[in-house]
Amino acid sequence: GENVEQHPSTLSVQEGDSAVIKCTYSDSASNYFPWYKQELGKRPQLIIDIRSNVGEKKDQRIAVTLNKTAKHFSLHITETQPEDSAVYFCAASIYPGYALNFGKGTSLLVTP
Amino acid sequence: NAGVTQTPKFRILKIGQSMTLQCAQDMNHNYMYWYRQDPGMGLKLIYYSVGAGITDKGEVPNGYNVSRSTTEDFPLRLELAAPSQTSVYFCASSSGTTLYEQYFGPGTRLTVT
Repeated sequence: GENVEQHPSTLSVQEGDSAVIKCTYSDSASNYFPWYKQELGKRPQLIIDIRSNVGEKKDQRIAVTLNKTAKHFSLHITETQPEDSAVYFCAASIYPGYALNFGKGTSLLVTP
Repeated sequence: NAGVTQTPKFRILKIGQSMTLQCAQDMNHNYMYWYRQDPGMGLKLIYYSVGAGITDKGEVPNGYNVSRSTTEDFPLRLELAAPSQTSVYFCASSSGTTLYEQYFGPGTRLTVT
């Protein structure tokens, strides 16, 4: 089955700096890659997603890049703010709406 | 819309007891999922359903059962609870077609002692 690896497990940045989280996947059939943000004690919420026919997608301060040949994708957060502090999960599936395989998460701390 | 709702929010079970975690969605989504989240381990799929009457196993189905008699409801049954089932359980749903986002419920925190 699909195996999603996520790095780093923890990340601490100063407010205003950029943060990058990287994921790799094993199943070349995967073609949908969402990123979820989970605040402490809350449910995961989708922040951005990308399909395999697109190499990059941006939404304000958040961007995701995908390299299908190398089977890795990354989340980029620019101009980080304290409210960006949360756990971020990458995931992969072979079809949008299909079951997701999640990475283990990255705990991001943005210090003022 | 209430979205995805789950009950109860918290539960403590003794080893060997059984219980049902309830999940309902009012978005007319065909796809529904149950995940468990252990500390530092991300979310793992227990069972999923692509429509009423259709269910299938995920990565960690042992010790659990599900049913999907209606589009709205997707209960998860724990039989003979074990300490290894201590976790936070999330139900999610998705239209599975034009909109791909999986919407998560608020979660149920289960402790088995």
